[in-house]
Amino acid sequence: DAGVTQSPTHLIKTRGQQVTLRCSPKSGHDTVSWYQQALGQGPQFIFQYYEEEERQRGNFPDRFSGHQFPNYSSELNVNALLLGDSALYLCASSRTGVRETQYFGPGTRLLVL
Amino acid sequence: AQKITQTQPGMFVQEKEAVTLDCTYDTSDQSYGLFWYKQPSSGEMIFLIYQGSYDEQNATEGRYSLNFQKARKSANLVISASQLGDSAMYFCAMREGPKAAGNKLTFGGGTRVLVKP
Repeated sequence: DAGVTQSPTHLIKTRGQQVTLRCSPKSGHDTVSWYQQALGQGPQFIFQYYEEEERQRGNFPDRFSGHQFPNYSSELNVNALLLGDSALYLCASSRTGVRETQYFGPGTRLLVL
Repeated sequence: AQKITQTQPGMFVQEKEAVTLDCTYDTSDQSYGLFWYKQPSSGEMIFLIYQGSYDEQNATEGRYSLNFQKARKSANLVISASQLGDSAMYFCAMREGPKAAGNKLTFGGGTRVLVKP
């Protein structure tokens, strides 16, 4: 049973560029959440997708956008990159139900120069 | 106000001993869930244990147990018989509100545990 997968594992971009990160959820999961984790801090919630719609959003600017596909996979797009966007981006998937435990992927490390 | 507070930034523990990681939370919701995750240096967040606000028994998963004190709003993680592989960052997280509105997690700042041989 494959877990949550993310691509790419590492990425280097320059300020002002745009980036797309990808996530495939755990088998049987229908909800995908994205988190940003700056160095030395806990993850911060960006947004969550369910049934191809953004269901919940954290305190992130509109430069951060996403998409969920019919197969439940998801993309995170960040436009006009800033130095402060350098972080570990974590994708988590869950299945609608009682606990809705979120299972995380290995993350994508983004460095903005 | 911080939703999740982990007051121990780092701690050492001797191999084979037990360790308790503190977590206090703040919510006005009656229905919420509390989670603990482990993050090794590789970066992946590994789910350890879950406690629902209505669960009367403390959760246990192998060597992990959760000391849930609802009135004090604390959810401490106890790791018994520590192993070298337990060295990692540990995060406490909370899901609050009705699940139909989404199940976002709010994380604490984490506690780094280093197990000494």
